[in-house]
Parts: sequence; structure tokens; C-alpha cells
Amino acid sequence: DAGVIQSPRHEVTEMGQEVTLRCKPISGHNSLFWYRQTMMRGLELLIYFNNNVPIDDSGMPEDRFSAKMPNASFSTLKIQPSEPRDSAVYFCASSRDGTYGYTFGSGTRLTVV
Amino acid sequence: QKEVEQNSGPLSVPEGAIASLNCTYSDRVSQSFFWYRQYSGKSPELIMSIYSNGDKEDGRFTAQLNKASQYVSLLIRDSQPSDSATYLCAAQGAAGNKLTFGGGTRVLVKP
Repeated sequence: DAGVIQSPRHEVTEMGQEVTLRCKPISGHNSLFWYRQTMMRGLELLIYFNNNVPIDDSGMPEDRFSAKMPNASFSTLKIQPSEPRDSAVYFCASSRDGTYGYTFGSGTRLTVV
Repeated sequence: QKEVEQNSGPLSVPEGAIASLNCTYSDRVSQSFFWYRQYSGKSPELIMSIYSNGDKEDGRFTAQLNKASQYVSLLIRDSQPSDSATYLCAAQGAAGNKLTFGGGTRVLVKP
């Protein structure tokens, strides 16, 4: 079991640029979650999918953020245009039917300068 | 007010002692509760889950749940320096399967 795989591990970009974060959930897991973690706000749920369908995107900060899950093994989180306040660690997590907790990926540390 | 509240710490405990971490939640429909451990620069790792009132033990860890008081706790017995980390409490509501996390409690175990 390779776990939840996220890429890239680190991303440094200039303000205004488009950023795309990628996630491959654990095979057989049908729920996928995107979280953002900062010192000030802790872990915040951005959006989650069940069976590739977005269920709750109320945590997405604004229209600059979008997420897709075109199939059961891949999801993206896109920020366009990026701003310095988007700097954070973005985690992807997956679970089977949302039960028994989640397994987190290693995260993407995003720095927008 | 956050839905899941934890004392941010740091909670400093001597090696071999018991570390006691507390968590309260505001949503009464929450059904399932989880404790995650997060080392600095790493991702959260699930260490305990608890679904019914009472105690649940797993090795050196004991989770306690009191739904009437909306209170969850984690005890770490025989604390080791390797237990030094941030511990995140999470609640899962009945309405959906998303987890809401507390801010975490930083634990420092001193040799």
C-alpha cells in the first residue's frame, strides 16, 4: 500500500501565478479530502469528494480555488491566481466511506512570494 | 467559537509520566472521534478512534469519551521523548463524513 501520494512536496511561486496540487488516494478509498494547515487557523477542510463527486466545498476560500476529481485515483486542487496569503501546507486525505478516520498524504508546502 | 477546542499547550511532561490531553466539541450530533499525532513537518497520523462512551485502550494510549459532557480525552502512559508531537482531536458528525479538527495540543516529553 503506497499510501496517499501528493505532488509536488514543495512549491514556490510568484503572486498571480497558477498553482496545481495533485493527489492520488489509496486504492479502494472512495472519499477524498483536501485540507489546508496554517499556524493561525490549524487544519481547515477545503472540499471533499465521495465517489468522485464533490459533496461539500463550503471551505473553499474563494473563487480562486477549484478542485476536481476526474476519476477514483486522481484529484487536483488549483489556485488561480495565487496570493501570498495562500501560503500553507495543503494535505490530501482519503478514506473508505469516510469511516475509521482518514489517511493523510505527506502534504504540499506552498509558498507564494 | 471553534467546533472542536483543545488547549494549545505546550504540555510539558517528564519521561515516564502520564500525559493527559483534553478536547471539547460543540456539535451534539458528532458520533465518532479521533486522535491524530503530528510530528513537526509531517502529516497527521491516526493513533486512536472512539465511538461510544467510556474508555478505549491501545497500548500506552487510552481514549475517553463522554458524550453528555461533549468531552474527549487522550492519556499517554509512560511518556517517551518520541511522544513529543502535536496531538489533534477530530470529531465526525452524523450528517456527513467530514472530520472537524481542533487546533492541536503540543506535547513535550522531557528526558
